Amino acid sequence: QKEVEQNSGPLSVPEGAIASLNCTYSDRGSQSFFWYRQYSGKSPELIMFIYSNGDKEDGRFTAQLNKASQYVSLLIRDSQPSDSATYLCAVNHNTDKLIFGTGTRLQVFP
Amino acid sequence: DTGVSQNPRHKITKRGQNVTFRCDPISEHNRLYWYRQTLGQGPEFLTYFQNEAQLEKSRLLSDRFSAERPKGSFSTLEIQRTEQGDSAMYLCASSLATGNQPQHFGDGTRLSIL
Repeated sequence: QKEVEQNSGPLSVPEGAIASLNCTYSDRGSQSFFWYRQYSGKSPELIMFIYSNGDKEDGRFTAQLNKASQYVSLLIRDSQPSDSATYLCAVNHNTDKLIFGTGTRLQVFP
Repeated sequence: DTGVSQNPRHKITKRGQNVTFRCDPISEHNRLYWYRQTLGQGPEFLTYFQNEAQLEKSRLLSDRFSAERPKGSFSTLEIQRTEQGDSAMYLCASSLATGNQPQHFGDGTRLSIL
C-alpha cells in the first residue's frame, strides 16, 4: 500500500462546476496535509494546507480533513479552464519531509 | 519578495559526467529540502538541511549523490558518474523551521542524461 494515494484521473469537469479531488494516507501519525498544483513542465505550487479536522476555505478552494478516516480532499468551486493541472496531495509525518501522492490530473472544459 | 531560485533550469550531459545544481532558498527560511520528480510521479524526498546541518537523507540518495549547505544559505546537489536513471526534475524547497510550515518550491532543474 502506498503511503499517499490519489486517483490519477483525468478528472474532467465543465467550467463553473465543483471539482472534488481526494487523497488517502496510511500513517495515522501524519500531522500536516498540503495540496500543490502543478502545471505541465512546471514545479509544484502550494494551494492549501490543513492541520486540523474539518474544513478550511481560501477563495474558491476548500480543503477537508478527516483524520479518523485518513482522508483529505480539495474542492475547487467555479472551476475554470486555468485550473486544469495536476493536483498533488502531500503529507507530513513526524519528520519534516513531505510524502507525495502521484497526483490527480484535472481537466476543466469550456 | 523573491522565491526559491534554482540554477541551472536545464542540464543535458553525457552519462558518466558529474553535475552540480544550486538552490537559493527564500531568505528567511532556515530549512532547505531536495526532491526528485520523474514523469507521472509525485516528488520524492532526497535530503534536507536545517541551517548548515544535513538532518535526513533518503535511501534514494546513493553514494553518487552529495548535498551541501556550507553557510546555511544556498545549497548544492552534486551527482557523480551520472546514469540514465538520474534523468529527472530536481526540485528544491524551503520553509521556516517553526512547526509544520509549508514548503515552497523553486522552478526545478531538469536533468537529461544522454
